[in-house]
Amino acid sequence: DVKVTQSSRYLVKRTGEKVFLECVQDMDHENMFWYRQDPGLGLRLIYFSYDVKMKEKGDIPEGYSVSREKKERFSLILESASTNQTSMYLCASSASGTIEQYFGPGTRLTVT
Amino acid sequence: RKEVEQDPGPFNVPEGATVAFNCTYSNSASQSFFWYRQDCRKEPKLLMSVYSSGNEDGRFTAQLNRASQYISLLIRDSKLSDSATYLCVVNKAGGSYIPTFGRGTSLIVHP
Repeated sequence: DVKVTQSSRYLVKRTGEKVFLECVQDMDHENMFWYRQDPGLGLRLIYFSYDVKMKEKGDIPEGYSVSREKKERFSLILESASTNQTSMYLCASSASGTIEQYFGPGTRLTVT
Repeated sequence: RKEVEQDPGPFNVPEGATVAFNCTYSNSASQSFFWYRQDCRKEPKLLMSVYSSGNEDGRFTAQLNRASQYISLLIRDSKLSDSATYLCVVNKAGGSYIPTFGRGTSLIVHP
């Protein structure tokens, strides 16, 4: 059974703080993704990675960065959190050559 | 035209009803299609793949119409537990493994 875990379910941070969201998958998947999901806007791709140390921008990368030092771990970094980054953040992974994704439970981030 | 479009609903149906959702996609080169289900405040979970020949899994049937560029999901004999948001997923183009998600269709099954 594929398992994707995220470091926190709920997080409250202040404007300007640096925020780290971690994602770990245990299925040896090559591809990992970070999304945010907001009411009425659906899932929007922030960044993805198809290999260790590789990263690609998604549709809304501004204000975010990522790190993938190990195959199983993909981190999302908010360098200076802002209130418009309050959202549900979802991590997903997939095997090479497929778009069939497995999601983590999500982190609901509130920036005050 | 959006890459992937779905009617947001909500579709409000009684138990036992048959309900169908469509999802249109803009890129004719897309080759991979899926339906996901997302319960309130939970992560999306894969429901089923959509094959060219169509596929069925119990009460759920998924079909692909390449000529008109849409996929469909049919749910027969709806249960209360089918209440959720159904997301259509299409790969961006050709052999790309990057998915594009629709915004989802909300289904509410009432007693």
